[in-house]
Amino acid sequence: DTAVSQTPKYLVTQMGNDKSIKCEQNLGHDTMYWYKQDSKKFLKIMFSYNNKELIINETVPNRFSPKSPDKAHLNLHINSLELGDSAVYFCASSQDLLQPQHFGDGTRLSIL
Amino acid sequence: AQKVTQAQTEISVVEKEDVTLDCVYETRDTTYYLFWYKQPPSGELVFLIRRNSFDEQNEISGRYSWNFQKSTSSFNFTITASQVVDSAVYFCARLTGANNLFFGTGTRLTVIP
Repeated sequence: DTAVSQTPKYLVTQMGNDKSIKCEQNLGHDTMYWYKQDSKKFLKIMFSYNNKELIINETVPNRFSPKSPDKAHLNLHINSLELGDSAVYFCASSQDLLQPQHFGDGTRLSIL
Repeated sequence: AQKVTQAQTEISVVEKEDVTLDCVYETRDTTYYLFWYKQPPSGELVFLIRRNSFDEQNEISGRYSWNFQKSTSSFNFTITASQVVDSAVYFCARLTGANNLFFGTGTRLTVIP
């Protein structure tokens, strides 16, 4: 049973397109996150949701819009994709903001 | 500043050697949490340990041990008798006052058979 699952695993698309990445956790956690890992492996938080409410919104272009329909899901929608959006995006969840985060396997986004 | 510094970008060791990965953090908070995560070549991120700022006891888990020293703001990670399966990128991270998990730049460990 996958604890934090994100789909798709790979996403190849053209500049200017709109795409979504889905994330689901079956751990019963209250808090979910999105991270971006660039080509140099640097990991940076993008968003954090606690009980479906936005808690953290780092300096991320407003082309990125997270949506949390319920506590178990946090989807990431990206409009007007740009070359610089190419990265691996990780979803994570934790019991609360202080507990260890459990990560999904990542979605590798490649913009052509 | 919320820096987490992992000065070692890459380390290579021969199997069965011990290796220590360094982590130095900056903080103005009195209460904070430190973490280590492992990212093997398959890409997933695996939680290894969480330590809060009030608990300076060193921790050992099998071949892994962690040395937390508040006086030097360091939280170093030692792997004893390294194995090829230990090859990965290891991230040190700190939970900031804003409840962000701020990662260091990672140390790539290669264990040579």
